[in-house]
Amino acid sequence: GESVGLHLPTLSVQEGDNSIINCAYSNSASDYFIWYKQESGKGPQFIIDIRSNMDKRQGQRVTVLLNKTVKHLSLQIAATQPGDSAVYFCAENIKGGSYIPTFGRGTSLIVHP
Amino acid sequence: DAGVIQSPRHEVTEMGQEVTLRCKPISGHDYLFWYRQTMMRGLELLIYFNNNVPIDDSGMPEDRFSAKMPNASFSTLKIQPSEPRDSAVYFCASSNPYNEQFFGPGTRLTVL
Repeated sequence: GESVGLHLPTLSVQEGDNSIINCAYSNSASDYFIWYKQESGKGPQFIIDIRSNMDKRQGQRVTVLLNKTVKHLSLQIAATQPGDSAVYFCAENIKGGSYIPTFGRGTSLIVHP
Repeated sequence: DAGVIQSPRHEVTEMGQEVTLRCKPISGHDYLFWYRQTMMRGLELLIYFNNNVPIDDSGMPEDRFSAKMPNASFSTLKIQPSEPRDSAVYFCASSNPYNEQFFGPGTRLTVL
């Protein structure tokens, strides 16, 4: 079946570097995408979202890029901080559906001071 | 708003016992979701409700699992009888249509 997957299960970076977390999706009907951050011992928390009529959206230190041609989503974190260490999930939602997000496995981001 | 509230935060029980997990969604949210998270399987959707009505329970592992939502401010997930393989973190989340989900802090269940 169609699903969301992640290329890299673990990403290690130095504090101050920029981080890029990638996500591939295979359902061409998906039109709404969300990135979540899950810190140890907590539930996932919303970071940023993007709809399919956009290819880029920026937040505070985070940018999400959407490439519908290759069905690829990325989360860029600028000037990564130790507090950014967490597992990051992407989720896709299908247009016209009853709104059931499909989550990827997640990528663990480790930020070294 | 206090966010999504779950109780208990931790539950340790013995195989064969009944376990009841509780959730209070954010007021005004139409959707409520129950998820299970393990290292092996990641975040799995078990069941979701829309306006207190169960819509899709295809993710519920087996008949030992049941969920109810008697009103807009309360839901339960029950496991009877519990088994060691049910050990996981169980999350409740709520949302409005086509918007991000708000997750609770989770219940860490250990079945011995």
